[in-house]
Amino acid sequence: DTAVSQTPKYLVTQMGNDKSIKCEQNLGHDTMYWYKQDSKKFLKIMFSYNNKELIINETVPNRFSPKSPDKAHLNLHINSLELGDSAVYFCASSRPGQRKNIQYFGAGTRLSVL
Amino acid sequence: TQLLEQSPQFLSIQEGENLTVYCNSSSVFSSLQWYRQEPGEGPVLLVTVVTGGEVKKLKRLTFQFGDARKDSSLHITAAQPGDTGLYLCAGHSSNTGKLIFGQGTTLQVKP
Repeated sequence: DTAVSQTPKYLVTQMGNDKSIKCEQNLGHDTMYWYKQDSKKFLKIMFSYNNKELIINETVPNRFSPKSPDKAHLNLHINSLELGDSAVYFCASSRPGQRKNIQYFGAGTRLSVL
Repeated sequence: TQLLEQSPQFLSIQEGENLTVYCNSSSVFSSLQWYRQEPGEGPVLLVTVVTGGEVKKLKRLTFQFGDARKDSSLHITAAQPGDTGLYLCAGHSSNTGKLIFGQGTTLQVKP
């Protein structure tokens, strides 16, 4: 069983479209994250949710809207896609209150905006 | 803003050579993690170091946390082609709850 699964793995779309990426974890973790990895492999946090509540919201355009229907799911909706949104998006989860905050990552969604 | 400077960004070596990757910051972290990422996959945790001066070994990989908990290193002995991949260091800040990643080191080990 995959611990953190995200769909789709590849997403190719036109500029201006709206798209969603879904993420689910079966680890029983309360905290979930979205990261963006750019072409230089730099991994940067975008959002973090703890038990369906937004706790970290980095400087991300408001075209990006995360939604957590329950603590096992964290979806990412992106409106009016731009060329610069092309990247690999990773979902992750962790157990809260852990000093180490070890995170478990999904396999990533490669988004290409044409 | 907390930053982690990771170096080198690229490393191409022959099988059997040794190498060291460095992560440096001006900030103190409650823990420092090292992840490895294969193409088309997400990062996978290799090790976590928590105590200043801590050294952990994972087969041919040796991880060290600086005494002041601001820097860390990863040393690989006798590198093998299977070690090829992207290595990421990440510092955990207990103040913000965030994991701050370094820029990554792409390692290529040629047979």
